[in-house]
Amino acid sequence: EDKVVQSPLSLVVHEGDTVTLNCSYEVTNFRSLLWYKQEKKAPTFLFMLTSSGIEKKSGRLSSILDKKELFSILNITATQTGDSAVYLCAVEAGGGSQGNLIFGKGTKLSVKP
Amino acid sequence: SAVISQKPSRDICQRGTSLTIQCQVDSQVTMMFWYRQQPGQSLTLIATANQGSEATYESGFVIDKFPISRPNLTFSTLTVSNMSPEDSSIYLCSGQTATLTDTQYFGPGTRLTVL
Repeated sequence: EDKVVQSPLSLVVHEGDTVTLNCSYEVTNFRSLLWYKQEKKAPTFLFMLTSSGIEKKSGRLSSILDKKELFSILNITATQTGDSAVYLCAVEAGGGSQGNLIFGKGTKLSVKP
Repeated sequence: SAVISQKPSRDICQRGTSLTIQCQVDSQVTMMFWYRQQPGQSLTLIATANQGSEATYESGFVIDKFPISRPNLTFSTLTVSNMSPEDSSIYLCSGQTATLTDTQYFGPGTRLTVL
């Protein structure tokens, strides 16, 4: 059965801290791994990773994928209160033209002032 | 990228009634999906909305409970039928474009509360 496991489930840090969120997966026919930030309703897309070892970066956020060890990390440096959210990892898997998204349960990040 | 809108954004419904959620995409997408997110759980795929044919449902979801339409490439509806409090959830629509990235884009979601 395909599964995506995120850790930790929750995390409390102070502004300025650096955090690392983890996502491991076991899926059939891996296509891509996606990170989302969810604050209220729908998750906001952050990164899509398809190749191992290539870091994707956007401002203070960065992510990398290891397809050999089947995991990805999401780093946030110099955290701000606005980073408080649930960070979702999802893996797109399956054959043909249709990809199915398997989501992890998310990591709830709370950044205290 | 694709911009996806949903209506209504939220609703409070009585047990036994039905609600139809609309999903509109601003560009043609290959696939459209309907998800549900219940409190404390990850997003769960309900079904794939197929253009011009019956939707493909995931295990645990049936057409009588969640009828779906997709009359064209940019529009889909999900109906939650004969609602019970257990159906209270956020329902999300997503679209996947036929590009090399194949990224799924999510709508803002519909928060449904069933009393």
